[in-house]
Amino acid sequence: ETGVTQTPRHLVMGMTNKKSLKCEQHLGHNAMYWYKQSAKKPLELMFVYNFKEQTENNSVPSRFSPECPNSSHLFLHLHTLQPEDSALYLCASSRGQNYGYTFGSGTRLTVV
Amino acid sequence: RKEVEQDPGPFNVPEGATVAFNCTYSNSASQSFFWYRQDCRKEPKLLMSVYSSGNEDGRFTAQLNRASQYISLLIRDSKLSDSATYLCVVNMASNTGKLIFGQGTTLQVKP
Repeated sequence: ETGVTQTPRHLVMGMTNKKSLKCEQHLGHNAMYWYKQSAKKPLELMFVYNFKEQTENNSVPSRFSPECPNSSHLFLHLHTLQPEDSALYLCASSRGQNYGYTFGSGTRLTVV
Repeated sequence: RKEVEQDPGPFNVPEGATVAFNCTYSNSASQSFFWYRQDCRKEPKLLMSVYSSGNEDGRFTAQLNRASQYISLLIRDSKLSDSATYLCVVNMASNTGKLIFGQGTTLQVKP
């Protein structure tokens, strides 16, 4: 049982849809992250939140919009996505610098 | 140059073999290093941290060479269950705790 829970596990959406991915961590960590993993590519960092403040946006297109209402919850709002956005979206949390991450199980997103 | 570089493999080895993976990183100021394991269609899971003096966890040994900006993972007595992708991960020396992941090295252990 992971301490980081992501929902939904799978999502199929059309290019005109709006959907949200949810992440919740029960570990008391201060930092939360969104990563994208496409086939045959390394994990790509998207956003970093520390103490619910966004500290990094890795040049992510505006069709991806993160929200962090508190240190335990992280959302990724999606709208007008493209087929190339289809990937595994992973949420992670950590105690902060110099610590490893705990990942959620990910949301496998397919844009049609 | 990629920030974290690994040979993608695959490495195909028989059960009981010893196998080693290498990884290089570009930022000499990097402070923390890890090996993660990722099974097919699953999330990455922390395998072990890598310390300057080298460290061992059962059949797994990690080494760090700061001068050459090089990390290694040695697996002894390979098991079928070791088959996975092994990700080299480096902290990029920022105060955000940002980790950069290598592409991963795929290991397939055969009976």
